[in-house]
Amino acid sequence: GAVVSQHPSWVICKSGTSVKIECRSLDFQATTMFWYRQFPKQSLMLMATSNEGSKATYEQGVEKDKFLINHASLTLSTLTVTSAHPEDSSFYICSARDRGAAGELFFGEGSRLTVL
Amino acid sequence: ILNVEQSPQSLHVQEGDSTNFTCSFPSSNFYALHWYRWETAKSPEALFVMTLNGDEKKKGRISATLNTKEGYSYLYIKGSQPEDSATYLCAFISTGGFKTIFGAGTRLFVKA
Repeated sequence: GAVVSQHPSWVICKSGTSVKIECRSLDFQATTMFWYRQFPKQSLMLMATSNEGSKATYEQGVEKDKFLINHASLTLSTLTVTSAHPEDSSFYICSARDRGAAGELFFGEGSRLTVL
Repeated sequence: ILNVEQSPQSLHVQEGDSTNFTCSFPSSNFYALHWYRWETAKSPEALFVMTLNGDEKKKGRISATLNTKEGYSYLYIKGSQPEDSATYLCAFISTGGFKTIFGAGTRLFVKA
């Protein structure tokens, strides 16, 4: 199947700094990628849909100025958590489809962010 | 608000036991349902993509059924093995924008 790579896997940062997480499709072109956040014992919550060459579509309640998404190429989407605070500590994971609206999602490995 | 519920939240079984989980989803605006297996320290991987009411799919000892009219899907594992230990996620895709909504998952522990 298709491969999606995400890094870093772990990141610890100080409060007030910004953190960038990368999501790459290694063997296919992804015009659309998805960013999720997972709180402990809860489901994967869709944060935003990243669209190549255009602005991301954010879900209700997700601050677009806090979570900057850039999808500058068909194989790379980045999520930047700006001015991170301890409440932003969470597990973030990206995914992409290689075909069709019903096609299976291919996930990155996820990134665990801890803000001190 | 689209809600996808999975039960049970967690399950402990002995090696060789058969088990099943439930995924409940809205019965309207159905486009597709996915099942994923998520092992610790790995990425979630798709098990099944299901689109038609009455679909039954099988992969080895794992199978799934789909009832779109009543809004549920069952995942069955026959003769559980320790390597089946993982979190099993279902994901509902709606016709409205093809959004994918995940359930919280069922965490399966299989003891040797």
